[in-house]
Amino acid sequence: GENVEQHPSTLSVQEGDSAVIKCTYSDSASNYFPWYKQELGKGPQLIIDIRSNVGEKKDQRIAVTLNKTAKHFSLHITETQPEDSAVYFCAARAAGNKLTFGGGTRVLVKP
Amino acid sequence: EAGVAQSPRYKIIEKRQSVAFWCNPISGHATLYWYQQILGQGPKLLIQFQNNGVVDDSQLPKDRFSAERLKGVDSTLKIQPAKLEDSAVYLCASSQMTGNNGELFFGEGSRLTVL
Repeated sequence: GENVEQHPSTLSVQEGDSAVIKCTYSDSASNYFPWYKQELGKGPQLIIDIRSNVGEKKDQRIAVTLNKTAKHFSLHITETQPEDSAVYFCAARAAGNKLTFGGGTRVLVKP
Repeated sequence: EAGVAQSPRYKIIEKRQSVAFWCNPISGHATLYWYQQILGQGPKLLIQFQNNGVVDDSQLPKDRFSAERLKGVDSTLKIQPAKLEDSAVYLCASSQMTGNNGELFFGEGSRLTVL
């Protein structure tokens, strides 16, 4: 089955700096890679996703990049703000298969 | 549009007791998922329903966990008897699409503490 590794497990950044979270996956058939943000006491919420026919996708201050050859994908948050503080999860899925999550990254944005 | 509703939000029980969690998915969503999220880890799929049929329950500990989705809408997840290692947040999610496609919408979860 699919295995998703996520790094780092914790990330502390100064407000205004950038944050980068990296994930690797094992199943070369995976073609859908969402990122979820989970705030304290809440369920995960989709913030951006990318499919395997696209190498990069951007939405305001967040962007995702995908390298299918190396089987890794990354989340980039620019100009971080205190409200970006949360736990972020990457996930991967092959067509028809279940979504497999990474272990999560706790991001703390210091004002 | 109302989101995924779950109850109770918190539950504390002693080991060997039983507990049940309820989920009401977003209206019209055909697929419903139950995930277990242990502290500090990512969500792990326990069971997936499509309408009222089970699609995937390969990671459900069937000796103690059971789930049903009668009439293809609400779902309940039961644990009996509970063990200490069942302490976790149980997340329900739903998706409009079938066949493991489409965005998952999560509820706020039910936090279980087993003493």
